[in-house]
Amino acid sequence: GAVVSQHPSRVICKSGTSVKIECRSLDFQATTMFWYRQFPKKSLMLMATSNEGSKATYEQGVEKDKFLINHASLTLSTLTVTSAHPEDSSFYICSATKRGPSQSTDTQYFGPGTRLTVL
Amino acid sequence: KQEVTQIPAALSVPEGENLVLNCSFTDSAIYNLQWFRQDPGKGLTSLLLIQSSQREQTSGRLNASLDKSSGRSTLYIAASQPGDSATYLCAVSQWGAGSYQLTFGKGTKLSVIP
Repeated sequence: GAVVSQHPSRVICKSGTSVKIECRSLDFQATTMFWYRQFPKKSLMLMATSNEGSKATYEQGVEKDKFLINHASLTLSTLTVTSAHPEDSSFYICSATKRGPSQSTDTQYFGPGTRLTVL
Repeated sequence: KQEVTQIPAALSVPEGENLVLNCSFTDSAIYNLQWFRQDPGKGLTSLLLIQSSQREQTSGRLNASLDKSSGRSTLYIAASQPGDSATYLCAVSQWGAGSYQLTFGKGTKLSVIP
C-alpha cells in the first residue's frame, strides 16, 4: 500500500500566530510532495511542489514567505502558515509521489487533509 | 493553462440507478486522468487512473472512459448505492515544475437516495 498521513487533522488558532502542518509518507519514499488548499465547494488548488532537499516551487499567486514549505527528508514535508489570518482558513491537503516503473506512471497519494480555522 | 470542468455540479439519484459523471479538459496534452472520491471533510481516494494511451478502465461497478483528443472523460457508476454518496473529482496530469502535476475539476457532489 501507499499511505500518507497529515498532522494535525484539525487546528484552530488565533490571528497572527503560525501553524505547522506535517505530511508524511508512511511506507514509501517520496522525492516529490505537493501541497493543495481547498475552499468550500471549490476545487483543489495546487499551492506548491516540494522536492526533497531543494526549495519548493510555488504556484502563481501563492506567497512563499507566508506559506513556508520544508521537505527535509524523503518521508516528511511541512507547511507552515505564518502570521495566519482568517482568510487563510481552509482545508489543506498534501500528496506524495510514489515512483512507478517510469515517470509517466508515478502516482500521487493524498493525505487526509488538515482543517485550519483562524479566529 | 489547463482547465478542468465537471458536469453536473451536483446529482441526486435513487438507489439502484446507473449514472454518468462528466469531465472535460482544455489541453489534451495529458499523461493520465484520474477519478477521485472525497467524503465530507476527508482527503481523496483514488478510484481509477487512465493512462493517456488508454481508452477506459474498470473497477467493480465503476467504469471510466477517456477521449483524449476531444478532452473528455466519463465516470459510469452502475447500480448506485447510498454508500456511493460523495464528491467525485476528476484530475488530469501534466508535466510542470520538474514533476507531474494534477489539475482538478470542482467535482460532482453525488447523493444516492435509499
